[in-house]
Amino acid sequence: DTAVSQTPKYLVTQMGNDKSIKCEQNLGHDTMYWYKQDSKKFLKIMFSYNNKELIINETVPNRFSPKSPDKAHLNLHINSLELGDSAVYFCASSSRDRGLHGYTFGSGTRLTVV
Amino acid sequence: DQQVKQNSPSLSVQEGRISILNCDYTNSMFDYFLWYKKYPAEGPTFLISISSIKDKNEDGRFTVFLNKSAKHLSLHIVPSQPGDSAVYFCAASVQRDDKIIFGKGTRLHILP
Repeated sequence: DTAVSQTPKYLVTQMGNDKSIKCEQNLGHDTMYWYKQDSKKFLKIMFSYNNKELIINETVPNRFSPKSPDKAHLNLHINSLELGDSAVYFCASSSRDRGLHGYTFGSGTRLTVV
Repeated sequence: DQQVKQNSPSLSVQEGRISILNCDYTNSMFDYFLWYKKYPAEGPTFLISISSIKDKNEDGRFTVFLNKSAKHLSLHIVPSQPGDSAVYFCAASVQRDDKIIFGKGTRLHILP
């Protein structure tokens, strides 16, 4: 009964392909996020959704398209993959009324583009 | 433009001693600060936080200190235990923006 689960855990694909990463949370949170951890180890926010509505979109190429079918799911679709997209992608969730507890993260998806 | 800086990429501390991890920030609008801990192949997990209206918050072996005038915070772990070996991320947010900004992390090694 993982709180925030991402699939797949590892993804190796060729340049130019289109791929999706799925995320689901069972915490009843109303906000979900995608973060990217690049080779320099920075964790940078990409998107956030609150109750299926896009709240944050941080200058991410439009090849990246998040989709939130309901507030428990936030998927990330990436078109025309490039070498520079190789990174670990973390999904997270929180409640707007989160108090002092921040986000709950998934275990990450390591994407390798070859 | 790093708004949250962790200038020590790694730190080694003897088991039983105090570990002190440091963090600096540049955005004076930040009003909420957090520390996350991350093991390999896992996501970051929340450790402890502090609001800007406080200068100290303690939770068991973990204490976070905030110096707003210096835009500096630190995490103290005492006594350090082998299971504390991990990467520690400092993070900050402006609560109304609902977006957490992370530092690059500091890898802590607890030596036997």
